[in-house]
Amino acid sequence: GENVEQHPSTLSVQEGDSAVIKCTYSDSASNYFPWYKQELGKRPQLIIDIRSNVGEKKDQRIAVTLNKTAKHFSLHITETQPEDSAVYFCALQKASGNQFYFGTGTSLTVIP
Amino acid sequence: SAVISQKPSRDICQRGTSLTIQCQVDSQVTMMFWYRQQPGQSLTLIATANQGSEATYESGFVIDKFPISRPNLTFSTLTVSNMSPEDSSIYLCSVGQGAGGELFFGEGSRLTVL
Repeated sequence: GENVEQHPSTLSVQEGDSAVIKCTYSDSASNYFPWYKQELGKRPQLIIDIRSNVGEKKDQRIAVTLNKTAKHFSLHITETQPEDSAVYFCALQKASGNQFYFGTGTSLTVIP
Repeated sequence: SAVISQKPSRDICQRGTSLTIQCQVDSQVTMMFWYRQQPGQSLTLIATANQGSEATYESGFVIDKFPISRPNLTFSTLTVSNMSPEDSSIYLCSVGQGAGGELFFGEGSRLTVL
């Protein structure tokens, strides 16, 4: 499979602060990069994605940036709330075969 | 979006036995994948379930251990064969909508092997 590195593995922030999670990858042919949120005991759910023809995408408090040259992409959550507490996974879709490979995950805790 | 039904949702199995997990989708999909998520870990791709042909396995996974069927565009099964405690995990069926399309997950099947 494809190697997707994700940092940090755990992240604690105060409510209202921002959280940033970063992923790096090696397959330069990948062109679709989704982020998933997984709450305890539930299935992963897509929260935002970005395609290689754009550098940034924003949806309310969530934004994703992509640097294809450097092969990294990041998730930014602003004005964090306790309900943002979950495990977040970055992923990429392989250009040939369309398989999805996931990062190692970040456990985010938002402290009220 | 796609509605994915997986069963069983959970099971407790004895060492050496095999269990088949079923995945039913409410619409025809081109891509179906099986993932494993061990406790506290990420999602690891086991294989791509190809309709009408043999599944494509990722490195570290073999057909004898994880045979997969996909008889049509809405259904697939994953069998975990000759189970050991190391196979205790959540197994997730997922479907894709093509290049650049969202990946949807079933609710997962939590297997515990004693």
